[in-house]
Amino acid sequence: DSGVTQTPKHLITATGQRVTLRCSPRSGDLSVYWYQQSLDQGLQFLIQYYNGEERAKGNILERFSAQQFPDLHSELNLSSLELGDSALYFCASSVGQGYEQFFGPGTRLTVL
Amino acid sequence: EDQVTQSPEALRLQEGESSSLNCSYTVSGLRGLFWYRQDPGKGPEFLFTLYSAGEEKEKERLKATLTKKESFLHITAPKPEDSATYLCATGDSNYQLIWGAGTKLIIKP
Repeated sequence: DSGVTQTPKHLITATGQRVTLRCSPRSGDLSVYWYQQSLDQGLQFLIQYYNGEERAKGNILERFSAQQFPDLHSELNLSSLELGDSALYFCASSVGQGYEQFFGPGTRLTVL
Repeated sequence: EDQVTQSPEALRLQEGESSSLNCSYTVSGLRGLFWYRQDPGKGPEFLFTLYSAGEEKEKERLKATLTKKESFLHITAPKPEDSATYLCATGDSNYQLIWGAGTKLIIKP
């Protein structure tokens, strides 16, 4: 158990809908990262927050957005969902930038 | 351009047959070399961090080593439960992790 929690574990929705994924980092970690992993693909970095502020953006679509709250938990919002958005979404946390990241169990999103 | 390359893409071994996985990197100043294990449908599990050439770290049947251009993950007398995808990553100049594509390791009993 890495100490990073993610909810929900599974999410099934329809095209065009909007969903919110939630992540709670390890106690003491200030950085939160979001990744997308499609079937049999590598990890695609989406976005990073550090202590409430956005620090880096990767291959994140405009339909996707995220935020980190004062209690350091983070939410990833996915809107106007498409079939191709079906994937595992992982959250990771670290003490700061450049340190090892610890991953949550992921949310499996299925868009029908 | 910063890059991480892992080889082989897949490796099939018999139980007890030792081998090594390779992770080569080209970055402008190494900021940590990280190894992870990922089981299907699960989040990557952190294994090791290496910072300096010549550094080695061990955990059970795994040993990670680092040179100036690559890292090796040595697996000694593996068991079927060691089957997983092994990922390596390194930090770039913006302290973001650059990930390799992974090596899928299959250990047959």
